[in-house]
Amino acid sequence: DGGITQSPKYLFRKEGQNVTLSCEQNLNHDAMYWYRQDPGQGLRLIYYSQIVNDFQKGDIAEGYSVSREKKESFPLTVTSAQKNPTAFYLCASSTLRDSPLHFGNGTRLTVT
Amino acid sequence: AQSVTQPDIHITVSEGASLELRCNYSYGATPYLFWYVQSPGQGLQLLLKYFSGDTLVQGIKGFEAEFKRSQSSFNLRKPSVHWSDAAEYFCAVYSMGGGSNYKLTFGKGTLLTVNP
Repeated sequence: DGGITQSPKYLFRKEGQNVTLSCEQNLNHDAMYWYRQDPGQGLRLIYYSQIVNDFQKGDIAEGYSVSREKKESFPLTVTSAQKNPTAFYLCASSTLRDSPLHFGNGTRLTVT
Repeated sequence: AQSVTQPDIHITVSEGASLELRCNYSYGATPYLFWYVQSPGQGLQLLLKYFSGDTLVQGIKGFEAEFKRSQSSFNLRKPSVHWSDAAEYFCAVYSMGGGSNYKLTFGKGTLLTVNP
């Protein structure tokens, strides 16, 4: 079945460590997105990419980095510069322009 | 800047009652609008979308939404709520990012509780 796979579902890290969240899709979608979700805040866009080797900052990109070396993969690195990294992270993909997003099941990151 | 407002943080209804969740958007051009639903600890599932044409759109699970340009609204409705509809609901609008890039902007969500 086609879909978006985020792994792991739960991730625990110590403060000061970088951590990379995986997102893979087999939908042949061109665009991929990373959102952060906090209680009462809705979804806030971190980074998005509409073609391989190109990506744009979203609304809260500080402390995060991404790469898009393959169409299927869009990993997100939460760096030690991110002041409040504990959150639920959602990856999504879509065909280009105006199409609905398909979401993965998320990764819950806890940093202590 | 484009934005989406969901005025109700939390709504409680009885099973079998009707439901309306409010959504207001701010976007200069013709908006592309969506409603998503999220169960706890899960990703988001698309309920319905509006791109153009008929302003009343039908979605999955018996939901519908009406686009009203004059009120900048896209409210979600269901005539009779089931206990399984308890979830968080998000309204979203496509907007321009940098250059020719488009991005989806979400409201903060409305949590729906259904009483038996």
